[in-house]
Amino acid sequence: GNSVTQMEGPVTLSEEAFLTINCTYTATGYPSLFWYVQYPGEGLQLLLKATKADDKGSNKGFEATYRKETTSFHLEKGSVQVSDSAVYFCALSDQGGSEKLVFGKGTKLTVNP
Amino acid sequence: DTEVTQTPKHLVMGMTNKKSLKCEQHMGHRAMYWYKQKAKKPPELMFVYSYEKLSINESVPSRFSPECPNSSLLNLHLHALQPEDSALYLCASTPEGSSASNYGYTFGSGTRLTVV
Repeated sequence: GNSVTQMEGPVTLSEEAFLTINCTYTATGYPSLFWYVQYPGEGLQLLLKATKADDKGSNKGFEATYRKETTSFHLEKGSVQVSDSAVYFCALSDQGGSEKLVFGKGTKLTVNP
Repeated sequence: DTEVTQTPKHLVMGMTNKKSLKCEQHMGHRAMYWYKQKAKKPPELMFVYSYEKLSINESVPSRFSPECPNSSLLNLHLHALQPEDSALYLCASTPEGSSASNYGYTFGSGTRLTVV
């Protein structure tokens, strides 16, 4: 079945550091890929998405590129802020019409001033 | 209106109580979902409603009973829960079930449930 593997956290960075959170997936067909962010005490917010190979999703300075050859969708940001502290979930959805999102385990990011 | 609204935000209930969680969206989305999220874990799918009909039940115990009275509302009725059911319950929606692959889900802020 479809699955998503994220790098284990927690990740602790200083403000303005470069961020990478690795995400790889296993899927049949051609999934869409997503990054969701969950701030403390809140629900999940869609951060960015990519629906086909080589697409780059971007939002709020975050980027991720859909790499079919390496089955990856790594999240990057050039300069993190304290306000980026949250849990980040990588997820995929089967473009074959599935109603399900499959989530990775989540990576907790803490950014210190 | 681009939000999914969940009420209440917090709920404490005893194991013999009956309570309901409510979810509402006015985006015209025709697929709605209940997810359960335990602490430090990813969300786990419980139920999917597509065009007000239950389309997926992920083998959820019968003490959880979903209801979709109309295209904007989704309820989760709770009865005889166990302490291990304490979790954050998230509602989500998409324009229609198959479009989750293109749009992703819009999530509510959740109801934090504690069973005592």
